[in-house]
Amino acid sequence: QSVLTQPPSASGAPGQRVTISCSGSDSNIGSTPVNWYQQVPGTAPKVLIFINDQRPSGVPDRFSGSKSGTSASLAISELQSDDEADYYCAAWDDSLNGWVFGGGTKLTVL
Amino acid sequence: EVQLVESGGGLVQPGRSLRLSCAASGFKFGDYAMHWVRQAPGKGLEWVSGIAWNSDTVAYAGSVTGRFIVSRDNAKNTLFLQMRSLRPEDTAFYFCTKDKVPLLNAVTHFDNWGQGTLVTVSS
Repeated sequence: QSVLTQPPSASGAPGQRVTISCSGSDSNIGSTPVNWYQQVPGTAPKVLIFINDQRPSGVPDRFSGSKSGTSASLAISELQSDDEADYYCAAWDDSLNGWVFGGGTKLTVL
Repeated sequence: EVQLVESGGGLVQPGRSLRLSCAASGFKFGDYAMHWVRQAPGKGLEWVSGIAWNSDTVAYAGSVTGRFIVSRDNAKNTLFLQMRSLRPEDTAFYFCTKDKVPLLNAVTHFDNWGQGTLVTVSS
């Protein structure tokens, strides 16, 4: 059981918009920023969104993040086939004194 | 270009020890905190341990506390993970990751990852 809760799967057609949720608690998302990582199967993860809504250089603005209370969301607009990957949210947990990840959401582009 | 190359993985029997290394290049290693994140085959990511730039602060996931020790050698640009009393549930790919800041901090992220090294714990 992951500390942060994500839906195991999400899907959308090319060109559509999809949202992935991440639910936590007061000791993590409720008090610390959220990061999102993308992992194409067989490769290392890479950061997609950091500190809730910041995009590293090179990440298209089709990807956006938001946070409210103890939940966060990743939105992907104008879906493309190469967006198929696993997406993980992560946050520091003040009670556990360490980083916690969501269980991951497998995105399928139909 | 930042490069993180893990090594030291392999097949080990339950109860035995293993030491992982991560060779870093392309950045000033001693300026950043570093972490180990693992992923069991077909499963999600799990943070294992982190160490501040000067080794003064370390942190561990509850699942490895008392069994794993993280360390670093800034002169050799290398991160280590000493794993003891290994269990079958420690079987995973172990990724070395670079932090964005020097200290263990909530307001940061992992901005570079190695390709991982596989540790298999089995008799």
